[in-house]
Amino acid sequence: SAVISQKPSRDICQRGTSLTIQCQVDSQVTMMFWYRQQPGQSLTLIATANQGSEATYESGFVIDKFPISRPNLTFSTLTVSNMSPEDSSIYLCSVGRGPSGANVLTFGAGSRLTVL
Amino acid sequence: SQQGEEDPQALSIQEGENATMNCSYKTSINNLQWYRQNSGRGLVHLILIRSNEREKHSGRLRVTLDTSKKSSSLLITASRAADTASYFCATDTGKAAGNKLTFGGGTRVLVKP
Repeated sequence: SAVISQKPSRDICQRGTSLTIQCQVDSQVTMMFWYRQQPGQSLTLIATANQGSEATYESGFVIDKFPISRPNLTFSTLTVSNMSPEDSSIYLCSVGRGPSGANVLTFGAGSRLTVL
Repeated sequence: SQQGEEDPQALSIQEGENATMNCSYKTSINNLQWYRQNSGRGLVHLILIRSNEREKHSGRLRVTLDTSKKSSSLLITASRAADTASYFCATDTGKAAGNKLTFGGGTRVLVKP
């Protein structure tokens, strides 16, 4: 399975600032998925990042708040813009794999953001 | 809204005991998967069961799926301290939904030595 490097692993940010999270995969993948996990909660899909096209955002998430770049088949970034304490979460990137179209996900280690 | 709801939310057992957690979902699925997360880190895929399967085993893991009840269970036998983690079910509703996974609320398992 793919190996994903995600950074930063954690950061403490000030209200109103923006932070970019990087996700590097050791193989070429078509789709990358960005998830948010709020404290003590489950994972919520933010968007799907396809190389060469605009990211597809889930309900409740908008590009102005979470701009995504996907410059090639091994790399993606997620920016959390104009942060507020409610953005304190673990952000996870993932890629899909699996037989017969089954979308088994491999995750990065996550980026734990704390917004003060 | 979440597709999968898990119970219990938390489970505490002694090493050597079995741990069982359940997942219920709302819509038809292509497959259902279970993941483990240690201490707020990335999730690790454990096992996948397809909609036409009823039971699957992998090592000390046993997963069942009842599509008529829209539910699944994960059994961890002979638990170890290293099994302490949060466990999430995730449903795949197929290509029409972009093969996106929707995760349940998770079960936090504590295995006491």
